[in-house]
Amino acid sequence: EIVMTQSPATLSVSPGERATLSCRASQSVSSNLAWYQQKPGQAPRLLISGASTRATGIPARFSGSGSGTEFTLTISSLQSEDFAVYYCQQYNNWPPITFGQGTRLEIK
Amino acid sequence: QLQLQESGPGLVKPSETLSLTCTVSGGSISSSSYYWGWIRQPPGKGLEWIGSIYYSGSTYYNPSLKSRVTISVDTSKNQFSLKVSSVTAADTAVYYCARWESSFDYWGQGTLVTVSS
Repeated sequence: EIVMTQSPATLSVSPGERATLSCRASQSVSSNLAWYQQKPGQAPRLLISGASTRATGIPARFSGSGSGTEFTLTISSLQSEDFAVYYCQQYNNWPPITFGQGTRLEIK
Repeated sequence: QLQLQESGPGLVKPSETLSLTCTVSGGSISSSSYYWGWIRQPPGKGLEWIGSIYYSGSTYYNPSLKSRVTISVDTSKNQFSLKVSSVTAADTAVYYCARWESSFDYWGQGTLVTVSS
């Protein structure tokens, strides 16, 4: 099973600033990685697939990068609606599909 | 617009079987491009993939749950279902159904299932 590790667990950033979230895989997942955003009481929302391809309707301030075992989600200028929990997920070697434990992005 | 909706009991007794159904609207569950999956989230915790099914009936399960989980599909009703047997308090979670291609792009709103006597 591929273990996904996200860091930091909590990230405090001011609105308008840049946020950088990290995700590491225990073995290579190539570019088969997705990012999701989850707000309280809501289902996760797909942001990025294929490590760097934004899903339909996702603003350009969200960008993904990386391949192999190291991945980054960058939010270029934080808006109030971006404060949420973010999960990475690999789909290179499955089953099982595995998620990271999440990074909580909070207002500084 | 594709929509998914989970349904089923919100309370299940320990040792019994949890049963949920996901109804898909706005699109066909028989599309050859997609799988359909179940994901759960215990209160205050992260996401766990339970398993996925193709419209033909091919299934893939999380090895950690495989002995207790069955996922099935009913193409005539545009639904797929989840059964988890011998539940314990550790199975208390919000259960989501979702469409899967290379990622989960459409999700249901989720339904909380509590395991308690």
